[in-house]
Amino acid sequence: DAEITQSPRHKITETGRQVTLACHQTWNHNNMFWYRQDLGHGLRLIHYSYGVQDTNKGEVSDGYSVSRSNTEDLPLTLESAASSQTSVYFCASSRDRAGDIQYFGAGTRLSVL
Amino acid sequence: QQPVQSPQAVILREGEDAVINCSSSKALYSVHWYRQKHGEAPVFLMILLKGGEQKGHEKISASFNEKKQQSSLYLTASQLSYSGTYFCGTPGGSNYKLTFGKGTLLTVNP
Repeated sequence: DAEITQSPRHKITETGRQVTLACHQTWNHNNMFWYRQDLGHGLRLIHYSYGVQDTNKGEVSDGYSVSRSNTEDLPLTLESAASSQTSVYFCASSRDRAGDIQYFGAGTRLSVL
Repeated sequence: QQPVQSPQAVILREGEDAVINCSSSKALYSVHWYRQKHGEAPVFLMILLKGGEQKGHEKISASFNEKKQQSSLYLTASQLSYSGTYFCGTPGGSNYKLTFGKGTLLTVNP
């Protein structure tokens, strides 16, 4: 079955370290998204991609970067982790139709100490 | 712009009904509803399209009024399994991304 997987599921790191969270989907979806979820804020969009070599900033992109070298993967990198980036991170993907269903990965819980 | 959901939280007993509202300050073409159970990923429930079309999922239905720029989710005869956080999401015109509301925490007690 097609799916979307995130790794690691839990990560503890120190401030200032570079961290990369992986997202891999097997639906062959062109659209991929990264969100962070914090209490009281819901799901906020960090970065998104509409295809290979395409990346766009979302509403909370500062301190994060993504790259899209193939259809299946959209890794999220925290260049220099900060305590404010402690959060639960979700990756999602969707097809090439406006407002189409987004399928979410299980999430990565990141703690920056 | 983030849609506004109300209420922020609601507690029900099994069998009771609830309504969750989602409103936007901008024109809406559609509204998505997702449910997230504790510790899990959000899962798609339904899409509401222009025209006031109602959709249903189990005993959960929803309406969409594009003139008022709002959608409502109706949970009828709630079950314990309905507990979770409900999010509405609104697309920006013809692009693919969604902006989600802050969510409504629904707790159904026996």
